[in-house]
Amino acid sequence: GAGVSQSPSNKVTEKGKDVELRCDPISGHTALYWYRQRLGQGLEFLIYFQGNSAPDKSGLPSDRFSAERTGESVSTLTIQRTQQEDSAVYLCASGLKTGPDTQYFGPGTRLTVL
Amino acid sequence: AQSVAQPEDQVNVAEGNPLTVKCTYSVSGNPYLFWYVQYPNRGLQFLLKYITGDNLVKGSYGFEAEFNKSQTSFHLKKPSALVSDSALYFCAVQDSWGKLQFGAGTQVVVTP
Repeated sequence: GAGVSQSPSNKVTEKGKDVELRCDPISGHTALYWYRQRLGQGLEFLIYFQGNSAPDKSGLPSDRFSAERTGESVSTLTIQRTQQEDSAVYLCASGLKTGPDTQYFGPGTRLTVL
Repeated sequence: AQSVAQPEDQVNVAEGNPLTVKCTYSVSGNPYLFWYVQYPNRGLQFLLKYITGDNLVKGSYGFEAEFNKSQTSFHLKKPSALVSDSALYFCAVQDSWGKLQFGAGTQVVVTP
């Protein structure tokens, strides 16, 4: 079946612009997670959704970052007034449920802020 | 607080030889442990997990891992490495809400 999809695959933007990254989870998966992978650094958790509720936003780096989810479907991660340090690969993952369980990752969106 | 460590930045192995990628963890409760693999310009692919049960976990592509509670380790192993196994491998520990905390990653290079 279809896996997790993300769009766009690549995004180049100018410093100060806003960007929206999209994630389509596997159908039926209630849990959705966003992670960031910066060059030379590890993977870091950003935010997760249980349905359309985000119980834990502790990983969002600043108030320029926000995310929402429509039902148990698409999620968008929005970065306002992008900075060069926002350049990274943004990965989305979904799982059948929140809690200890396998997460399946999308291919990621590579964001470059000039 | 929980954490995971991958002590090796890179592992080099000849094709056909055994492959081991090391991972140690620190958790306050029950450990939920995962291995993922990342090929260039691709997302992470799930290999295997330990939630509960047998200490020896078998996963995709011939990989297995052994959960060792006394040594707080979860090393990834493959009896006979292939050139196509060359990739970046991540160990991760998961909390009760599902958040994954990843190790720094180990680059595996398998030479023909």
